[in-house]
Amino acid sequence: KQEVTQIPAALSVPEGENLVLNCSFTDSAIYNLQWFRQDPGKGLTSLLLIQSSQREQTSGRLNASLDKSSGRSTLYIAASQPGDSATYLCAVLPNTDKLIFGTGTRLQVFP
Amino acid sequence: ETGVTQSPTHLIKTRGQQVTLRCSSQSGHNTVSWYQQALGQGPQFIFQYYREEENGRGNFPPRFSGLQFPNYSSELNVNALELDDSALYLCASSTRQGGTNEKLFFGSGTQLSVL
Repeated sequence: KQEVTQIPAALSVPEGENLVLNCSFTDSAIYNLQWFRQDPGKGLTSLLLIQSSQREQTSGRLNASLDKSSGRSTLYIAASQPGDSATYLCAVLPNTDKLIFGTGTRLQVFP
Repeated sequence: ETGVTQSPTHLIKTRGQQVTLRCSSQSGHNTVSWYQQALGQGPQFIFQYYREEENGRGNFPPRFSGLQFPNYSSELNVNALELDDSALYLCASSTRQGGTNEKLFFGSGTQLSVL
């Protein structure tokens, strides 16, 4: 059974810091891994999608890596800003119909 | 804005009642998935509809049912509500043309409270 774990559960950093969020999954048989952002009480916004054959994806200040063999992904956020405060969710696609999510990392960036 | 709209945004029901949640998918998308997100947890897959047929189901009892209409909008119905059904219900749309390497577009969700 595929399980997705995210560490840390919560993180509080001062503005300007570079930070890393971690995601691990138990079964390497995945089609892709995705990172989402969720603001309180809101839906999910897709940030990055890494195909199983790829090692990383970049969008602006965000960089996500994937090591499928070890079952790990990291989301790197450069020069964090207060507007980055949100919950970040990692999800894997083990088959064609459903995503399996982790429980998220709650990030707070203070001025 | 993702173009996926859900209604209502908030709903309060009592145990044993029935509820219907609605989702309009993004233009051009023919696949709708529903997820349940309990407080402090990641979303859990309920089911997916593709071209009006159920195309996969998660570990939810039969009292969770759905529909997809010819315009690809969708409904989630929950019968005999239980207290544990209190959660944020998220709808996501996509197109199957992208296969397994496409992004999902989520709505803002319906917050259901069961008293």
